[in-house]
Amino acid sequence: GQQVMQIPQYQHVQEGEDFTTYCNSSTTLSNIQWYKQRPGGHPVFLIQLVKSGEVKKQKRLTFQFGEAKKNSSLHITATQTTDVGTYFCAGQVSNYQLIWGAGTKLIIKP
Amino acid sequence: DSGVTQTPKHLITATGQRVTLRCSPRSGDLSVYWYQQSLDQGLQFLIQYYNGEERAKGNILERFSAQQFPDLHSELNLSSLELGDSALYFCASSVGGGVSTEAFFGQGTRLTVV
Repeated sequence: GQQVMQIPQYQHVQEGEDFTTYCNSSTTLSNIQWYKQRPGGHPVFLIQLVKSGEVKKQKRLTFQFGEAKKNSSLHITATQTTDVGTYFCAGQVSNYQLIWGAGTKLIIKP
Repeated sequence: DSGVTQTPKHLITATGQRVTLRCSPRSGDLSVYWYQQSLDQGLQFLIQYYNGEERAKGNILERFSAQQFPDLHSELNLSSLELGDSALYFCASSVGGGVSTEAFFGQGTRLTVV
């Protein structure tokens, strides 16, 4: 079936290091959404990418959507403790269907 | 505050029992989605309602059912509960009937089956 693979499952970084999570879909996506879930919290929408090759930035976060609209990435530059949480991608495959990645948990090493 | 309200926040019940989770969407949102999140796992989509009608179905067990009422609030009914049903259940809402717009999530209901 249709699925969105998200890697890695966990990433441990020192504060100040960069972080990247990748999503790969088995099918072409209409768009891809990114959400962040803080520990003990609920998912919060970050951004939506729609166009092939689209790149969007939010301060230290850079989101990319691949040319074939099958993959996407989220890159955080110089991580801070406020970045801790799990980042999910969710790809739209039809009008009513979002396929969620399993999430990447960002952990800041003490 | 996302504007989506879920009650109760916590629920502890025994195996074999039935519970009802409630969700009030953001004002003006017509779609309600239910998700299940087991400990440290991803989000499993269960079901979507749009303006009172079922719009999409995911991996929802036959023991689970949902509905959306005329005032647009929604309820998720879980019956014959098993230990494995212990999870965080999220409700989300969005304006339209499709999934091309952002969804706003409630705080979740943590269900513990003992």
